[in-house]
Amino acid sequence: QKEVEQDPGPLSVPEGAIVSLNCTYSNSAFQYFMWYRQYSRKGPELLMYTYSSGNKEDGRFTAQVDKSSKYISLFIRDSQPSDSATYLCAMRGFQKLVFGTGTRLLVSP
Amino acid sequence: GAVVSQHPSWVICKSGTSVKIECRSLDFQATTMFWYRQFPKQSLMLMATSNEGSKATYEQGVEKDKFLINHASLTLSTLTVTSAHPEDSSFYICSARSGGLADTQYFGPGTRLTVL
Repeated sequence: QKEVEQDPGPLSVPEGAIVSLNCTYSNSAFQYFMWYRQYSRKGPELLMYTYSSGNKEDGRFTAQVDKSSKYISLFIRDSQPSDSATYLCAMRGFQKLVFGTGTRLLVSP
Repeated sequence: GAVVSQHPSWVICKSGTSVKIECRSLDFQATTMFWYRQFPKQSLMLMATSNEGSKATYEQGVEKDKFLINHASLTLSTLTVTSAHPEDSSFYICSARSGGLADTQYFGPGTRLTVL
């Protein structure tokens, strides 16, 4: 079993839809949770950073962490074609980041 | 957010030559830098972790003599692919960890290496 599981997609939605991206994990030592966005042939860009459980909102993006269920989510409101990219969840305890495989999101106009 | 730069953004070289990739944290001092490799449509694979002034720690299966890492300062790390072969062709991405209260990792834009 992988430490971090993420559906690779692709996830196709129409413009304006609410997008929900999720990851589950098995290591209870993870304390730091991140979401990165990666466009094709570019490096990952940090979108959201959360420490421990709870919600965090930044513009159209909301990150949720439920440590009791070992489940994290990223919600994108009013999705735009420019949101089309691969979204990687990442998490760590005190050492290296562990990534999900990434979910490819396609937002059609 | 914090900015990490990489140079060059792409490079083509002949088999047997060596290629150096630079990674710089532009507006913060990085306690730790990381080098990743990414194959098409796959996630990032950590190659090595380096701290300024000390030897890099390589992941299992990564040849330290082939992928030389030098972390000369808190803002600069270099990866040298020695005696490159076509199978080394890949997308190489560096990352810098900021430390402090907002301890997280920021990634460079990546370097596409093609070995002919």
